[in-house]
Amino acid sequence: GAGVSQTPSNKVTEKGKYVELRCDPISGHTALYWYRQSLGQGPEFLIYFQGTGAADDSGLPNDRFFAVRPEGSVSTLKIQRTERGDSAVYLCASSALAGGENEQFFGPGTRLTVL
Amino acid sequence: GQSLEQPSEVTAVEGAIVQINCTYQTSGFYGLSWYQQHDGGAPTFLSYNALDGLEETGRFSSFLSRSDSYGYLLLQELQMKDSASYFCAVRAPSGTYKYIFGTGTRLKVLA
Repeated sequence: GAGVSQTPSNKVTEKGKYVELRCDPISGHTALYWYRQSLGQGPEFLIYFQGTGAADDSGLPNDRFFAVRPEGSVSTLKIQRTERGDSAVYLCASSALAGGENEQFFGPGTRLTVL
Repeated sequence: GQSLEQPSEVTAVEGAIVQINCTYQTSGFYGLSWYQQHDGGAPTFLSYNALDGLEETGRFSSFLSRSDSYGYLLLQELQMKDSASYFCAVRAPSGTYKYIFGTGTRLKVLA
């Protein structure tokens, strides 16, 4: 079956611009995570959705970051007024069960570059 | 807070056995997971230990000691394709769903 997909695969933008990153989880997976990963580092938790609601957004670095999952499947991560420090690979993962201890399936990521 | 420590790099030869250690500090504990990530690729799940002891899956095994806040990933019969980064990860304490990854161990397998 289809895995987790993310679009775009690469995004180059200018400082101050707005970007949206999309994640299509595995069908039927109710749990969805967003992470960002900088070179040489592990994934850094941003936000967790259970169904349509953000059950934990404690990892969002500031109010420029926002994520939605209106119908409990596709999720969009939105970043306003992008800064050079936002450059990273943004990863999405989905899981069949809540909590995350069970297997998380990761998408290929969106590489965001802010010039 | 929560933190996980792993060696930054490990090198071994094909056919060898290598152990990647992970020590963690958390104020609550659900279990320890391991993920593999090839350069430019997505992390893929390897194993999860909730209880003490050894879990074996093919060439890979994972061990957990809750009393020592320590775990390891054991890779046997190393192959070139095992060259990748390996991350241990834990879920943050009760009441949150924050998932924390270590900084990763880069494994180089030499011919």
